[in-house]
Amino acid sequence: QKEVEQDPGPLSVPEGAIVSLNCTYSNSAFQYFMWYRQYSRKGPELLMYTYSSGNKEDGRFTAQVDKSSKYISLFIRDSQPSDSATYLCAMSALDSSYKLIFGSGTRLLVRP
Amino acid sequence: DAMVIQNPRYQVTQFGKPVTLSCSQTLNHNVMYWYQQKSSQAPKLLFHYYDKDFNNEADTPDNFQSRRPNTSFCFLDIRSPGLGDAAMYLCATSRVGGTAYEQYFGPGTRLTVT
Repeated sequence: QKEVEQDPGPLSVPEGAIVSLNCTYSNSAFQYFMWYRQYSRKGPELLMYTYSSGNKEDGRFTAQVDKSSKYISLFIRDSQPSDSATYLCAMSALDSSYKLIFGSGTRLLVRP
Repeated sequence: DAMVIQNPRYQVTQFGKPVTLSCSQTLNHNVMYWYQQKSSQAPKLLFHYYDKDFNNEADTPDNFQSRRPNTSFCFLDIRSPGLGDAAMYLCATSRVGGTAYEQYFGPGTRLTVT
């Protein structure tokens, strides 16, 4: 079993839709949760960063962490064609703070 | 702009022919990482440097080596590339303290092995 599971998609939505991207994990030691966005032929870029449980909002993006269920989500409101990319979740445990464990990514396509 | 730069962006090498990929950064971050990312897969950490301290992942093949001659530069050496080593290689940096979990990635080098 992988430490982090992520639905590969692709997920195709019309412009303006609300998008929900999710990851599950098995390691209860994970404390730091991140979402990275990766455009085709580019390196990942950090979108959102959350410590422990709870919600965090940044513009059209909301990250949620439910540690009791070992489940994290990224919501994108009013999705735009420019949001079309692969979204990778990543996690880290406090005692291995430099090591990120990534999900395999969900490919999102926002249709104009 | 401060950034992470990788050269070359595309590299073609022959089976068994050593190859070196390079990474440089202007962020002055003290931690540098090398990841391997195969198509539709998660980036896989190969090793990282905390300043000059080298940290190898247990499952990184011996075929992969790294050098960090100074803060700004880091190299990935593949001594005898096999077909299975064809992948995107990503360099990343982070700083100690604060949001150390925030890693800044370069654009990657896509390696093809013929």
